Amino acid sequence: NAGVTQTPKFQVLKTGQSMTLQCAQDMNHNSMYWYRQDPGMGLRLIYYSASEGTTDKGEVPNGYNVSRLNKREFSLRLESAAPSQTSVYFCASSTDRVIDYGYTFGSGTRLTVV
Amino acid sequence: AQSVTQLDSQVPVFEEAPVELRCNYSSSVSVYLFWYVQYPNQGLQLLLKYLSGSTLVKGINGFEAEFNKSQTSFHLRKPSVHISDTAEYFCAVSYGGSQGNLIFGKGTKLSVKP
Repeated sequence: NAGVTQTPKFQVLKTGQSMTLQCAQDMNHNSMYWYRQDPGMGLRLIYYSASEGTTDKGEVPNGYNVSRLNKREFSLRLESAAPSQTSVYFCASSTDRVIDYGYTFGSGTRLTVV
Repeated sequence: AQSVTQLDSQVPVFEEAPVELRCNYSSSVSVYLFWYVQYPNQGLQLLLKYLSGSTLVKGINGFEAEFNKSQTSFHLRKPSVHISDTAEYFCAVSYGGSQGNLIFGKGTKLSVKP
């Protein structure tokens, strides 16, 4: 099925470890996004990419880096994980005209940092 | 600052009862409004959207929402809920025109009891 695929689905890290969350979409969308979801906080934008080769900071970028590898893939890297980064991470994508279809979301990565 | 407020963090309701989930947004010249649903352990799915025209918008699964410009609201309603409607619901707004990023509310957890 067409959509947004995130890997891994679950991950446990020790404080200070690094990891990369992968996201790929097969809908030929230009824009891609990374959000984190925490109880009572809703969805908060970490980074987004309006097109291949461009990335911009969102509301909560500290502690994260991103790479827009090509049009399909947008990865999120935690260089030195901290317990405060325990969260559920969602990747999303959209066409340029966001209002046409809104965002298409992946199923999420549940990350625990101990 | 542009914002979206979901007035209730949790809404418990009995099966077959009506429900209204409330959403207010910051006043703006033009806005585009969305409701998303997130079932347990899944990503977000688009329920419905308002772009223009009729202020009453119908979505999937029997949900509808009404755009009220004077009250800057976009409340979600369903006349009779089912157990399967138990989920978290997010209101989202695009303030930046057709290409503007979505700003999400903090979510409302709907719990339908038998």
